[in-house]
Amino acid sequence: GEDVEQSLFLSVREGDSSVINCTYTDSSSTYLYWYKQEPGAGLQLLTYIFSNMDMKQDQRLTVLLNKKDKHLSLRIADTQTGDSAIFFCAESDTGYSTLTFGKGTMLLVSP
Amino acid sequence: EAGVTQFPSHSVIEKGQTVTLRCDPISGHDNLYWYRRVMGKEIKFLLHFVKESKQDESGMPNNRFLAERTGGTYSTLKVQPAELEDSGVYFCASSQNRVKAFFGQGTRLTVV
Repeated sequence: GEDVEQSLFLSVREGDSSVINCTYTDSSSTYLYWYKQEPGAGLQLLTYIFSNMDMKQDQRLTVLLNKKDKHLSLRIADTQTGDSAIFFCAESDTGYSTLTFGKGTMLLVSP
Repeated sequence: EAGVTQFPSHSVIEKGQTVTLRCDPISGHDNLYWYRRVMGKEIKFLLHFVKESKQDESGMPNNRFLAERTGGTYSTLKVQPAELEDSGVYFCASSQNRVKAFFGQGTRLTVV
Protein backbone atom coordinates (compact mmCIF):
# COMPACT_ATOMS: atom_id res chain seq x y z
CA GLY A 1 0.00 0.00 0.00
CA GLU A 2 0.91 3.66 -0.09
CA ASP A 3 3.38 4.99 2.45
CA VAL A 4 4.37 8.55 3.33
CA GLU A 5 7.42 9.17 5.49
CA GLN A 6 8.53 12.33 7.26
CA SER A 7 11.11 13.16 9.88
CA LEU A 8 9.37 13.65 13.20
CA PHE A 9 11.07 16.75 14.52
CA LEU A 10 12.80 19.90 13.28
CA SER A 11 14.19 22.74 15.36
CA VAL A 12 15.26 26.08 13.88
CA ARG A 13 16.00 29.58 15.04
CA GLU A 14 13.74 32.51 14.27
CA GLY A 15 14.69 34.13 10.98
CA ASP A 16 16.28 30.97 9.55
CA SER A 17 14.75 28.94 6.73
CA SER A 18 13.05 25.65 7.59
CA VAL A 19 13.00 22.70 5.23
CA ILE A 20 10.61 19.84 5.97
CA ASN A 21 11.08 16.74 3.87
CA CYS A 22 8.71 13.97 2.86
CA THR A 23 9.02 10.82 0.77
CA TYR A 24 6.21 8.75 -0.65
CA THR A 25 5.96 5.40 -2.37
CA ASP A 26 2.86 5.64 -4.56
CA SER A 27 4.03 6.29 -8.12
CA SER A 28 0.48 7.22 -9.16
CA SER A 29 0.21 10.10 -6.69
CA THR A 30 -1.56 12.97 -8.40
CA TYR A 31 -1.62 15.68 -5.76
CA LEU A 32 0.76 16.25 -2.88
CA TYR A 33 -0.21 18.39 0.06
CA TRP A 34 1.16 20.14 3.09
CA TYR A 35 -1.17 20.58 6.05
CA LYS A 36 -0.37 22.47 9.25
CA GLN A 37 -1.77 21.75 12.70
CA GLU A 38 -1.28 24.34 15.40
CA PRO A 39 -1.77 23.34 19.05
CA GLY A 40 -5.43 22.70 19.81
CA ALA A 41 -6.49 23.40 16.23
CA GLY A 42 -7.53 21.35 13.23
CA LEU A 43 -5.65 20.67 10.01
CA GLN A 44 -5.11 23.72 7.86
CA LEU A 45 -4.36 23.24 4.17
CA LEU A 46 -1.16 25.19 3.53
CA THR A 47 -0.47 24.39 -0.07
CA TYR A 48 -0.59 21.61 -2.63
CA ILE A 49 1.19 20.73 -5.84
CA PHE A 50 0.09 18.79 -8.86
CA SER A 51 2.38 15.94 -9.83
CA ASN A 52 3.34 17.44 -13.18
CA MET A 53 4.85 20.46 -11.46
CA ASP A 54 8.24 20.57 -9.78
CA MET A 55 7.93 23.79 -7.82
CA LYS A 56 5.28 26.03 -6.35
CA GLN A 57 5.86 29.24 -4.44
CA ASP A 58 3.38 31.04 -2.23
CA GLN A 59 4.77 33.95 -0.22
CA ARG A 60 7.18 32.46 2.34
CA LEU A 61 6.38 28.90 1.30
CA THR A 62 8.19 27.00 -1.45
CA VAL A 63 7.23 23.45 -2.36
CA LEU A 64 9.66 21.33 -4.33
CA LEU A 65 8.69 18.03 -5.91
CA ASN A 66 11.14 15.47 -7.26
CA LYS A 67 8.81 12.96 -8.86
CA LYS A 68 11.62 10.64 -9.92
CA ASP A 69 12.79 10.24 -6.33
CA LYS A 70 9.27 10.61 -4.90
CA HIS A 71 10.50 13.40 -2.64
CA LEU A 72 8.55 16.45 -1.55
CA SER A 73 9.84 19.33 0.53
CA LEU A 74 8.38 22.43 2.12
CA ARG A 75 10.65 25.40 2.66
CA ILE A 76 9.55 28.19 4.97
CA ALA A 77 11.57 31.36 4.55
CA ASP A 78 12.23 33.69 7.49
CA THR A 79 10.68 31.26 9.97
CA GLN A 80 8.84 32.90 12.86
CA THR A 81 7.95 31.57 16.31
CA GLY A 82 4.32 31.58 15.19
CA ASP A 83 5.21 28.99 12.57
CA SER A 84 5.75 26.39 15.30
CA ALA A 85 3.30 23.58 14.55
CA ILE A 86 3.05 20.05 13.20
CA PHE A 87 3.33 19.84 9.42
CA PHE A 88 1.75 16.89 7.63
CA CYS A 89 2.66 15.70 4.18
CA ALA A 90 -0.13 13.90 2.30
CA GLU A 91 -0.78 12.48 -1.14
CA SER A 92 -3.82 11.45 -3.13
CA ASP A 93 -4.02 8.97 -5.96
CA THR A 94 -5.28 9.47 -9.49
CA GLY A 95 -9.01 8.96 -9.62
CA TYR A 96 -9.34 9.04 -5.86
CA SER A 97 -9.55 11.89 -3.46
CA THR A 98 -8.73 10.27 -0.16
CA LEU A 99 -5.50 11.35 1.45
CA THR A 100 -2.61 9.26 2.74
CA PHE A 101 -0.75 11.14 5.46
CA GLY A 102 2.68 11.00 6.98
CA LYS A 103 3.05 11.02 10.75
CA GLY A 104 3.80 14.74 10.80
CA THR A 105 6.91 16.83 11.49
CA MET A 106 6.90 18.94 14.61
CA LEU A 107 8.57 22.28 13.85
CA LEU A 108 9.89 24.16 16.85
CA VAL A 109 11.05 27.72 16.24
CA SER A 110 13.14 29.28 18.99
CA PRO A 111 13.72 33.03 19.41
CA GLU B 1 -17.87 31.47 5.23
CA ALA B 2 -18.15 28.91 8.02
CA GLY B 3 -15.59 26.13 8.00
CA VAL B 4 -16.04 22.48 8.83
CA THR B 5 -17.50 22.15 12.31
CA GLN B 6 -17.19 19.11 14.53
CA PHE B 7 -18.98 18.35 17.76
CA PRO B 8 -18.07 17.60 20.48
CA SER B 9 -14.49 18.80 20.65
CA HIS B 10 -13.74 16.29 23.41
CA SER B 11 -15.50 13.16 24.62
CA VAL B 12 -14.54 10.83 27.44
CA ILE B 13 -16.56 7.63 27.67
CA GLU B 14 -16.26 4.26 29.33
CA LYS B 15 -15.48 1.12 27.43
CA GLY B 16 -18.71 -0.42 26.17
CA GLN B 17 -20.59 2.84 25.90
CA THR B 18 -21.79 4.48 22.70
CA VAL B 19 -20.56 7.78 21.31
CA THR B 20 -21.80 9.77 18.35
CA LEU B 21 -19.61 12.33 16.65
CA ARG B 22 -21.06 14.98 14.37
CA CYS B 23 -19.61 16.85 11.44
CA ASP B 24 -21.10 19.83 9.61
CA PRO B 25 -19.29 20.34 6.31
CA ILE B 26 -18.84 23.58 4.44
CA SER B 27 -22.14 24.46 2.78
CA GLY B 28 -22.34 23.16 -0.78
CA HIS B 29 -19.57 20.59 -0.38
CA ASP B 30 -20.84 17.26 -1.65
CA ASN B 31 -17.75 15.34 -0.52
CA LEU B 32 -17.38 14.55 3.16
CA TYR B 33 -14.60 12.47 4.69
CA TRP B 34 -13.84 10.98 8.08
CA TYR B 35 -10.27 10.39 9.22
CA ARG B 36 -8.79 9.22 12.50
CA ARG B 37 -5.45 9.71 14.21
CA VAL B 38 -4.59 7.22 16.89
CA MET B 39 -1.83 8.38 19.26
CA GLY B 40 1.58 8.27 17.62
CA LYS B 41 0.26 7.00 14.31
CA GLU B 42 -0.62 8.51 10.95
CA ILE B 43 -3.92 10.16 10.20
CA LYS B 44 -5.88 7.36 8.55
CA PHE B 45 -8.80 7.54 6.16
CA LEU B 46 -12.07 6.02 7.38
CA LEU B 47 -14.68 6.78 4.73
CA HIS B 48 -15.91 9.12 2.04
CA PHE B 49 -19.44 10.31 1.31
CA VAL B 50 -20.61 11.89 -1.91
CA LYS B 51 -23.82 13.60 -0.88
CA GLU B 52 -25.63 10.92 1.11
CA SER B 53 -23.96 7.93 -0.54
CA LYS B 54 -20.92 6.10 0.77
CA GLN B 55 -18.32 6.33 -1.99
CA ASP B 56 -15.59 4.47 -0.14
CA GLU B 57 -15.71 2.95 3.32
CA SER B 58 -12.60 0.82 3.02
CA GLY B 59 -10.97 2.47 6.02
CA MET B 60 -13.69 1.67 8.56
CA PRO B 61 -11.98 -0.54 11.14
CA ASN B 62 -14.92 -2.84 12.00
CA ASN B 63 -18.68 -3.04 12.31
CA ARG B 64 -18.71 -1.14 15.59
CA PHE B 65 -18.38 2.02 13.51
CA LEU B 66 -21.42 3.37 11.67
CA ALA B 67 -21.38 6.54 9.60
CA GLU B 68 -24.43 8.25 8.18
CA ARG B 69 -25.11 11.33 6.14
CA THR B 70 -28.85 11.61 5.83
CA GLY B 71 -29.95 14.29 3.38
CA GLY B 72 -26.40 14.87 2.23
CA THR B 73 -25.71 17.59 4.76
CA TYR B 74 -24.19 16.83 8.16
CA SER B 75 -22.72 13.46 9.02
CA THR B 76 -22.55 11.39 12.18
CA LEU B 77 -20.06 8.71 13.15
CA LYS B 78 -21.27 6.34 15.84
CA VAL B 79 -19.03 3.98 17.77
CA GLN B 80 -20.95 1.20 19.52
CA PRO B 81 -19.69 -0.32 21.74
CA ALA B 82 -16.53 1.73 22.20
CA GLU B 83 -13.25 -0.06 22.92
CA LEU B 84 -10.01 1.31 24.38
CA GLU B 85 -8.27 1.21 20.99
CA ASP B 86 -10.88 3.57 19.54
CA SER B 87 -9.28 6.46 21.43
CA GLY B 88 -7.86 9.11 19.17
CA VAL B 89 -8.70 12.26 17.28
CA TYR B 90 -11.44 11.97 14.67
CA PHE B 91 -11.25 14.49 11.86
CA CYS B 92 -13.92 15.38 9.37
CA ALA B 93 -13.15 17.09 6.07
CA SER B 94 -15.23 18.37 3.18
CA SER B 95 -14.40 19.16 -0.40
CA GLN B 96 -16.19 20.64 -3.38
CA ASN B 97 -13.88 19.44 -6.15
CA ARG B 98 -11.98 16.54 -4.54
CA VAL B 99 -8.70 18.44 -4.88
CA LYS B 100 -8.77 20.65 -1.80
CA ALA B 101 -10.15 19.16 1.39
CA PHE B 102 -10.87 21.41 4.36
CA PHE B 103 -10.65 19.86 7.80
CA GLY B 104 -12.49 20.50 11.02
CA GLN B 105 -10.78 20.93 14.37
CA GLY B 106 -11.32 17.28 15.25
CA THR B 107 -13.01 15.42 18.09
CA ARG B 108 -10.70 13.95 20.70
CA LEU B 109 -12.22 10.68 21.89
CA THR B 110 -10.91 9.03 25.02
CA VAL B 111 -12.23 5.60 25.97
CA VAL B 112 -11.43 4.61 29.55
